[in-house]
Amino acid sequence: AQSVTQPDIHITVSEGASLELRCNYSYGATPYLFWYVQSPGQGLQLLLKYFSGDTLVQGIKGFEAEFKRSQSSFNLRKPSVHWSDAAEYFCAVVMNTGNQFYFGTGTSLTVIP
Amino acid sequence: KAGVTQTPRYLIKTRGQQVTLSCSPISGHRSVSWYQQTPGQGLQFLFEYFSETQRNKGNFPGRFSGRQFSNSRSEMNVSTLELGDSALYLCASGLTGDGREQYFGPGTRLTVT
Repeated sequence: AQSVTQPDIHITVSEGASLELRCNYSYGATPYLFWYVQSPGQGLQLLLKYFSGDTLVQGIKGFEAEFKRSQSSFNLRKPSVHWSDAAEYFCAVVMNTGNQFYFGTGTSLTVIP
Repeated sequence: KAGVTQTPRYLIKTRGQQVTLSCSPISGHRSVSWYQQTPGQGLQFLFEYFSETQRNKGNFPGRFSGRQFSNSRSEMNVSTLELGDSALYLCASGLTGDGREQYFGPGTRLTVT
């Protein structure tokens, strides 16, 4: 069965520190890959996506993600975290045969001053 | 170009009642998918409509239904509401049928008392 795993339920980082959020997927083929961010009470905002090509993708707000086929991973990174980055982050995949998103369980990010 | 619109944004209903939520996709988009987000179950796929036809359905009881109109607007209906139906309901508007270009609306927050 398809699955998306975000092993870290909650992460706390200091403002200015680097960040890496992990995401692994389990599918037969390489799906389309996404990272979304959700602030409390809000909808989902797309940070970045990967379809094919260069395995390092740049997104909004200074985020980037790297696709590693051998590890079935799509980890999200940011060199220097800002207090406003505190939110819930979701990794998601879509098979290229349809529109259904499969979401991970999310990682809650706390940023301390 | 206007984004995805969901109405109403907030809703309070009583157990046993029914509710209808609406999603207006981005102009030109033909696919609308619905998701339920709860703290316990995370983001779960409800169903997808493409050109007025239900193309895919998640694992939800028959109390959850939907439809799509010729202008691509979609409604989802929940009958005989239960406390556990309290959730954020998100819809995603899709341009193509292969999952690459989809955009989420702000969601409808449903509270069942």
